[in-house]
Amino acid sequence: QQQVKQSPQSLIVQKGGIPIINCAYENTAFDYFPWYQQFPGKGPALLIAIRPDVSEKKEGRFTISFNKSAKQFSLHIMDSQPGDSATYFCAGAPLNQAGTALIFGKGTTLSVSS
Amino acid sequence: SAVISQKPSRDICQRGTSLTIQCQVDSQVTMMFWYRQQPGQSLTLIATANQGSEATYESGFVIDKFPISRPNLTFSTLTVSNMSPEDSSIYLCSQRSFGTDTQYFGPGTRLTVL
Repeated sequence: QQQVKQSPQSLIVQKGGIPIINCAYENTAFDYFPWYQQFPGKGPALLIAIRPDVSEKKEGRFTISFNKSAKQFSLHIMDSQPGDSATYFCAGAPLNQAGTALIFGKGTTLSVSS
Repeated sequence: SAVISQKPSRDICQRGTSLTIQCQVDSQVTMMFWYRQQPGQSLTLIATANQGSEATYESGFVIDKFPISRPNLTFSTLTVSNMSPEDSSIYLCSQRSFGTDTQYFGPGTRLTVL
């Protein structure tokens, strides 16, 4: 499986801080990059996703920044809250190829202290 | 959004036995995927299950150990055979529909092998 490299492994921020999680991919065929949020005991849930035709996408407090030439993308969480404490996974896959599953990064455990 | 259910939600099994995990989706989809998530780790793709044909396994996973059935467009099973403690993981069912980007996940089956 082509790799998606994610960092940091864990992150601790105070309430209101802006945690940033970074990912890099290898497969140039990837053109769909989602972020998933997972709480303990639950399956991953889609948080936000981006395609490489834009450099940034914002949904509420969550923003993805994308750098196609560097093959890197990142997740920013504005005004973080204790409820954001979860594990975050980046992923990549070719778009519109339903037979191709997402390849995930190793995950980042985020803790937001109050 | 898609609704995916899995049975059982958790199980504790003895070494050498087998467990079959069921996955039901609420709409007809072409491709379903099975992932493994070892404790504190990322999601690793086991295989892609296509209705009416043999599943496609990723490197490191074999059909004898993880046989998969896909009898129709809304149902799949994954069997973990001849289990050892190293098989203790969360097993996740997932689907991605052609024409949409989002890959949905079930809640997972937490397996402990003693």
